[in-house]
Amino acid sequence: EIVLTQSPATLSLSPGERATLSCRASQSVGSYLAWYQQKPGQAPRLVIYDSSNRATGIPARFSGGGSGTDFTLTISSLEPEDFAVYYCQQGDNWPLTFGGGTKVEIK
Amino acid sequence: EVQLVQSGAEVKKPGESLKISCQTSGYTFSSYWIGWVRQMPGKGLEWMGIVYPGDSDTRYSPSFQGQVTISADRSSATAFLQWSSLKASDTAIFYCARLVSLGRAFYFDLWGRGTLVAVSS
Repeated sequence: EIVLTQSPATLSLSPGERATLSCRASQSVGSYLAWYQQKPGQAPRLVIYDSSNRATGIPARFSGGGSGTDFTLTISSLEPEDFAVYYCQQGDNWPLTFGGGTKVEIK
Repeated sequence: EVQLVQSGAEVKKPGESLKISCQTSGYTFSSYWIGWVRQMPGKGLEWMGIVYPGDSDTRYSPSFQGQVTISADRSSATAFLQWSSLKASDTAIFYCARLVSLGRAFYFDLWGRGTLVAVSS
């Protein structure tokens, strides 16, 4: 089973700042990594798939990158609605696995 | 509109059985895998398993194999998650989600709102 480790656990930033989240895989997943956003009391929402492709309706301030074992999600300028928990998920191997999440909170 | 509508919250006692549902609409049910994801209180997401309604093929995470049963009914475009004997540790929110294959990889592109299952004596 591929283990995904996200860092940091919590990111405290102000609106307008840049957020950089990390996801590291225990073995290569190629470029087959997704990011999800989850707000309190809501279901997760797909943000990025295949490492760098934005899902439908996701603003351009969200970008993803990386391959192999190291991936990043960047939010170029945080909007109030971006404060949430973000999870990575690898789609390359069974069982599918999620990272433990990074909470982006308002500083 | 494409949507997944999950059944309502459940409060059960340890040892009881339970079957929760996820009714889909707006797309061809038989053509997509649909899966279940657990979120324990205050914790992260855990993939439990998936079913392909076209042929009822199922795949389970090793962590959940033998603990739950995932199924689908094409006539009602509904997926199910069931337990034969609940434990207090099954208390969680359970999400159904559609799995899409984008080339070689699989991701969850559409999610239900979640079903809260509370198990307590």
